[in-house]
Amino acid sequence: GNSVTQMEGPVTLSEEAFLTINCTYTATGYPSLFWYVQYPGEGLQLLLKATKADDKGSNKGFEATYRKETTSFHLEKGSVQVSDSAVYFCALHHSGGYQKVTFGTGTKLQVIP
Amino acid sequence: DTGVSQDPRHKITKRGQNVTFRCDPISEHNRLYWYRQTLGQGPEFLTYFQNEAQLEKSRLLSDRFSAERPKGSFSTLEIQRTEQGDSAMYLCASSPPEKTTPDTQYFGPGTRLTVL
Repeated sequence: GNSVTQMEGPVTLSEEAFLTINCTYTATGYPSLFWYVQYPGEGLQLLLKATKADDKGSNKGFEATYRKETTSFHLEKGSVQVSDSAVYFCALHHSGGYQKVTFGTGTKLQVIP
Repeated sequence: DTGVSQDPRHKITKRGQNVTFRCDPISEHNRLYWYRQTLGQGPEFLTYFQNEAQLEKSRLLSDRFSAERPKGSFSTLEIQRTEQGDSAMYLCASSPPEKTTPDTQYFGPGTRLTVL
């Protein structure tokens, strides 16, 4: 079946460091891929998405590229801020007319000043 | 646009009791989803409504769980004869008709259920 695997956390970085959170997926067909973010005490928010191979999603300095050949959708940011501290979830939306979204287990990021 | 709202935000109940949660989606969003999230895990899909029709159900949705969306607006999720394993955060999400902003789901704050 479809699944999402993302790197375990927590990830602790100093402010202005480079961030990579790895995400790989297994899916039939051509899913859409997402990164959602959950700030402390808040609900899930869509961070960025890509709907087909080689698409790059970007938002708030974060970006991720849909790599079909490696079945990956790694999240990157060049310079993290303390305000980026949150839990990040990689997810895929199943193709074929289904509405189910499969999430990874989440990666907690803590950015220290 | 006030976002997706859920009520209650917290619910503590004793094993064996029934509980019901409500979700109000963003107005004009005809698609609605329920998820369950346990500690340290990502959300797990439970069910999907398009308008009032329940079109997808996960195998996680046992016989004790039932969801409705009678008028195609708000939705309820009922758990009968709760068990300690039902303790989780129950998330609701909505999205607009498919031809606008496809695939994006907007999440509510969730209802945290604790079964004693």
